[in-house]
Formats: sequence, structure tokens, C-alpha cells
Amino acid sequence: GAVVSQHPSRVICKSGTSVKIECRSLDFQATTMFWYRQFPKQSLMLMATSNEGSKATYEQGVEKDKFLINHASLTLSTLTVTSAHPEDSSFYICSVAVGAGSEKLFFGSGTQLSVL
Amino acid sequence: EDKVVQSPLSLVVHEGDTVTLNCSYEVTNFRSLLWYKQEKKAPTFLFMLTSSGIEKKSGRLSSILDKKELFSILNITATQTGDSAVYLCAVAPFTGGGNKLTFGTGTQLKVEL
Repeated sequence: GAVVSQHPSRVICKSGTSVKIECRSLDFQATTMFWYRQFPKQSLMLMATSNEGSKATYEQGVEKDKFLINHASLTLSTLTVTSAHPEDSSFYICSVAVGAGSEKLFFGSGTQLSVL
Repeated sequence: EDKVVQSPLSLVVHEGDTVTLNCSYEVTNFRSLLWYKQEKKAPTFLFMLTSSGIEKKSGRLSSILDKKELFSILNITATQTGDSAVYLCAVAPFTGGGNKLTFGTGTQLKVEL
């Protein structure tokens, strides 16, 4: 499998500030990483696919200007929640697939974002 | 739109009990179905099923897929308190790069002494 590290695990911020979440693939070079969001008692919802060296692919309904994704290296993808609002409070989790097109995902430990 | 429905939503059992978790799905161009265990934060991979009728087994956990009836079950025998977690079912289509998973809301399992 793949070992995925996500940081921070928890963040509390004021409304209007930006928050950056890092996702690192520790033992695997990931050309693609996936960002999910999970609201309480709801399923994991794919937000975007992060592509190393190119633009991220966003799912329908996800604002690319609000959720900035950068995948500058094969081991690091970042998600920045810009001008965060209370409705952005959620659990954000990244994942990698081992092997191109593999559906078997390995997840980071997630980030609980609370916007006051 | 792909859809995954899990049942029950939550379940409380006693140690030693056997539980069966259900997952039904609707997906265009089905590729595989995956089960994950989410204890606190990171979901951990349990099984990936692609063929009907072939049981996958790992210790006390087993799972089987029925592609005709579009469902899968996850069985846990001789449950232990460490099995307490949310169990997630997800489906993967062949489209969208093959790794765009659709998840169910999960079954919250609590195993009591």
C-alpha cells in the first residue's frame, strides 16, 4: 500500500481567513491525488483530482477559486480553503491511488476544519 | 448519477456476535466495489471485489459481491471491541480514470463488551 500523511489534523480559524492543508505521499510517487470532503453523517464526497504539474480537475459544484489545489511535486499536494466561511467547516481528506487508474485508494488521516 | 446505499446506518452488538453489513449500488459501467474501515480518521482498505460470487476473506472479515442484484455484504464473525468503526462501501466505474469512487454514508458499528 501507500503511506499518506496529512497535516494539520485539526484547524480552527476565523471566518475570512485562508487555510492550507498538506497531503504527502511518503513512500510512493503520486502523479494523482484525490481530495474528499465529509460532512457529519454523510459520505465522502470527491472534491477534486490533483494532478502533478498540471491543473486540478474539480467536481461539479466545487468552486476552484475557493478550493485551490497545488500539486507541485510527486509527493505533495496542497488544498487551500480561501476566505473560509462557517459552511466550509468539514472533514477534508486526501488519498492516493497506487498505480495509474487504480481504484484502490489509500487515505491520509484527514483534517477537521472548523471556521468560526 | 452513481449511488451507493448502505444498511443499517448503525448497529450495536456484543462481543462475539456475527454481523452482516449491506451495500447496494447503482453505477454506470461498474468496475469494482471496495470496503473500507474508518475508525477515527483515515479509512483503511479492507477488500476490493470485482467478480460475482467469489468470497474475499481476511481473518474474521469476509465479503462477497452479487453483480446481478447489485449488492455486496461484509461479514464480521466473533466481533471484538476493536471492530467498532464506520464501515464504508464504495464503487468505482471504468469511466473517469477508473478511480473516481462513490461512497456510501457508511454503517456505524459499535461492539460492546
